[in-house]
Amino acid sequence: EAQVTQNPRYLITVTGKKLTVTCSQNMNHEYMSWYRQDPGLGLRQIYYSMNVEVTDKGDVPEGYKVSRKEKRNFPLILESPSPNQTSLYFCASSLRTGWNTEAFFGQGTRLTVV
Amino acid sequence: GENVEQHPSTLSVQEGDSAVIKCTYSDSASNYFPWYKQELGKRPQLIIDIRSNVGEKKDQRIAVTLNKTAKHFSLHITETQPEDSAVYFCAPTNAGGTSYGKLTFGQGTILTVHP
Repeated sequence: EAQVTQNPRYLITVTGKKLTVTCSQNMNHEYMSWYRQDPGLGLRQIYYSMNVEVTDKGDVPEGYKVSRKEKRNFPLILESPSPNQTSLYFCASSLRTGWNTEAFFGQGTRLTVV
Repeated sequence: GENVEQHPSTLSVQEGDSAVIKCTYSDSASNYFPWYKQELGKRPQLIIDIRSNVGEKKDQRIAVTLNKTAKHFSLHITETQPEDSAVYFCAPTNAGGTSYGKLTFGQGTILTVHP
């Protein structure tokens, strides 16, 4: 089954404790990205990757890191989480076919930083 | 970068009524116009999209119309049902551009359909 898988689904952590949220897709998509979703603010892009070893900042990259060493994986790293990073996070992938960049989303990761 | 605005932010209708959500964008190079639906507790999923060379597209009870000159596109839902209750997002894109990866979503519209 074609899918985007995020782990973990739920995470509660303490301020300053490094964490990684994993994202994996099995559709051979070049493009992957991370979003955070907060009430009233919609989906805001954190980082995106056009292909292996190619990443770039989205609209809200501060406090986050990413890497794209393999095509299927795009982990999100919070080196020193803070309470303002409490949010719902989504990973997405898409296959660029010229005119269609439909995004396929993972199930989401609800992160709470205390 | 792309500035995207959705209106209204919330919409409440009675079952059977029609609902219209409008998305305004700033980048005249945008050429792909999708709408995503996010049900409560679920992930966003594409429900309909349109390319810049098409003015309107319909799929059963939903349709999308595009006005490239005015830089806006709209989602139309007819004969609304309670299962249409969700948050809807637009995400206009320059699918052929070199920076197509930088995707900007609208703030979302919460649609509530009352039985």
